[in-house]
Amino acid sequence: QKEVEQDPGPLSVPEGAIVSLNCTYSNSAFQYFMWYRQYSRKGPELLMYTYSSGNKEDGRFTAQVDKSSKYISLFIRDSQPSDSATYLCASSRGGSGGSNYKLTFGKGTLLTVNP
Amino acid sequence: DSGVTQTPKHLITATGQRVTLRCSPRSGDLSVYWYQQSLDQGLQFLIQYYNGEERAKGNILERFSAQQFPDLHSELNLSSLELGDSALYFCASSPRADSSYNEQFFGPGTRLTVL
Repeated sequence: QKEVEQDPGPLSVPEGAIVSLNCTYSNSAFQYFMWYRQYSRKGPELLMYTYSSGNKEDGRFTAQVDKSSKYISLFIRDSQPSDSATYLCASSRGGSGGSNYKLTFGKGTLLTVNP
Repeated sequence: DSGVTQTPKHLITATGQRVTLRCSPRSGDLSVYWYQQSLDQGLQFLIQYYNGEERAKGNILERFSAQQFPDLHSELNLSSLELGDSALYFCASSPRADSSYNEQFFGPGTRLTVL
């Protein structure tokens, strides 16, 4: 079992739709949870990160973490064609030293927002 | 533009050969991470260096090695290449290694094709 599992999709939605992207993880030591966006033929870029359980909102994006169920979600409101990309969830243990900063990624979900 | 540069952008080589991928981190960043992205495995952590020293190892094959130089640029050496090594190789950098969380900034990647 991979430490971070993500539904690969692909996901195709009309412009303006609410998008829900989800991951599960198995390592209880994970404390930091991130969502990266990767456009075709580009490097991943950080969208948001969350520490422990809770919600975090940034504009049209909301990240949710439920540590009790080991569930990570990203919601995109009023989706736009420019949101079309692969979305990657990632987790890390955090804390200084050793391998605590290494990111463990899900495989990514390809999202297409149709005009 | 993340500020992380990687060269070359594309590399085509034959099985059994050796290649070197180069990464320059963002100005001031001391940590460098290498990741491999393939269709079947997704984005996987290979190795981390901090200020010239190896900090953490992930799923890095013995045929692969890396180093970080005094000017903080890093090189990933891949030898005895196999078809299965064809992938995107990303470098990421982050400022420090002594805080709970470090945002990693990814470069544009090097696409390696082994024929």
